[in-house]
Amino acid sequence: GESVGLHLPTLSVQEGDNSIINCAYSNSASDYFIWYKQESGKGPQFIIDIRSNMDKRQGQRVTVLLNKTVKHLSLQIAATQPGDSAVYFCAETFTGGGNKLTFGTGTQLKVEL
Amino acid sequence: GAGVSQSPRYKVAKRGQDVALRCDPISGHVSLFWYQQALGQGPEFLTYFQNEAQLDKSGLPSDRFFAERPEGSVSTLKIQRTQQEDSAVYLCASTRQGAGNTGELFFGEGSRLTVL
Repeated sequence: GESVGLHLPTLSVQEGDNSIINCAYSNSASDYFIWYKQESGKGPQFIIDIRSNMDKRQGQRVTVLLNKTVKHLSLQIAATQPGDSAVYFCAETFTGGGNKLTFGTGTQLKVEL
Repeated sequence: GAGVSQSPRYKVAKRGQDVALRCDPISGHVSLFWYQQALGQGPEFLTYFQNEAQLDKSGLPSDRFFAERPEGSVSTLKIQRTQQEDSAVYLCASTRQGAGNTGELFFGEGSRLTVL
């Protein structure tokens, strides 16, 4: 199918290395953040979320870091695998905002064998 | 099925035609969202419902776009007199959360609209 990642920043990593994908968010009132993975021809898939009362949250092979001072999020993927190749989006919203998400500019992750 | 289901997956329309895109959310999910995703960009909010009530339609690009969820379950996004700039993937998402809370949104696979 058509590439979701056309025109997006690209991060290329070797299989087995760690990946770090960064995101700057825009709204200082945002208090809930989500990372989504989107493969070509598919809808966004939830990876991990974090609320603003936390700085770090870990999942299986993934860690999200939140720096509210500079409005920055990062997604760390440990031991990157070929199946991790996709476009990754951060999204933000705030309590009382109706769960309406604002998505950031995505990053295309390419895993090289 | 267990996930959000959208149909049709692909739609080709001639400029000026009307189209209707359907979304079946996860059973029991209170809130339903429509997003538009242009090629190479992130999804952009169009509108959302809590049950059958349309609480926010601020993202709809023009009055040619109309969404409904009459029984609080299935939703339809209708685009009248389609234009080439309407070509995009239309994503539907649902969540068990109501408007006052935040929580995981589950997305469907999308409906890709191409207007010739």
